[in-house]
Amino acid sequence: AQTVTQSQPEMSVQEAETVTLSCTYDTSENNYYLFWYKQPPSRQMILVIRQEAYKQQNATENRFSVNFQKAAKSFSLKISDSQLGDTAMYFCAFIGAGSYQLTFGKGTKLSVIP
Amino acid sequence: NAGVTQTPKFRVLKTGQSMTLLCAQDMNHEYMYWYRQDPGMGLRLIHYSVGEGTTAKGEVPDGYNVSRLKKQNFLLGLESAAPSQTSVYFCASSYLVFNEQFFGPGTRLTVL
Repeated sequence: AQTVTQSQPEMSVQEAETVTLSCTYDTSENNYYLFWYKQPPSRQMILVIRQEAYKQQNATENRFSVNFQKAAKSFSLKISDSQLGDTAMYFCAFIGAGSYQLTFGKGTKLSVIP
Repeated sequence: NAGVTQTPKFRVLKTGQSMTLLCAQDMNHEYMYWYRQDPGMGLRLIHYSVGEGTTAKGEVPDGYNVSRLKKQNFLLGLESAAPSQTSVYFCASSYLVFNEQFFGPGTRLTVL
C-alpha cells in the first residue's frame, strides 16, 4: 500500500515571504500522479497543483511550484510571495496508475502572518 | 454550474439511528468518491464509483453503504450510526481517475 508522509504538522510564514512544505511518499510503481490540495478554514478542498510522474519538468501554477524528486520520492510545494489567503491546511496526495484510490497525507497547517 | 453539492451540511444522530447523505454533481463526471476527514488523519476513502450503477470499497468501508443509481448522484448510507462515525464527510467527483477531484463543501456528522 502506498503511504504519504507530511513531516511538518504546522508551519508559519511572514506575508510576502517564501515557504516550502514537504511531502514524501512510498510506492513501488513507476507511473503515478501527485497532487497538492488546499483546505482553507471554509473547509472547501481546492486543487493547488498536479504532477505526472513521467514528466521530469516540475509543475508550476502562478505563485505555487513543486520540487519533484522521483528517485527520492519527494514532492515538496513552494509558495512564493505568501498571501494572507494562503492560510490553510495543505494536503499532499498520491494515486498510482493502476489504482482508483487517492491517498492523502495528514496535512500541514500553514499560517501566513501579516 | 453548482459543481459538487452535499446534503445536509450538518447532522446530529443518536447511536443506532440511520441516515443518508446525498451528493450531486453537474459536471457529467464518471467517477465519484466518498471520504471521511478526522482530526490528524487527513482524508480517507470510504467508497467510490467508476460509473452509474457501480460501486466499490475504499480504505474504510465498514459501517457504510453506497448507491449510484443515477450518474449525477452518489448516496452514502449509515444503517446503524456509531460514535466512531462522527466525522466530516466529503464527496468528490472527477472526469478521469487521474484528473483533479472536485470536492463538495462537506457534511459534519455527530453521533451521540
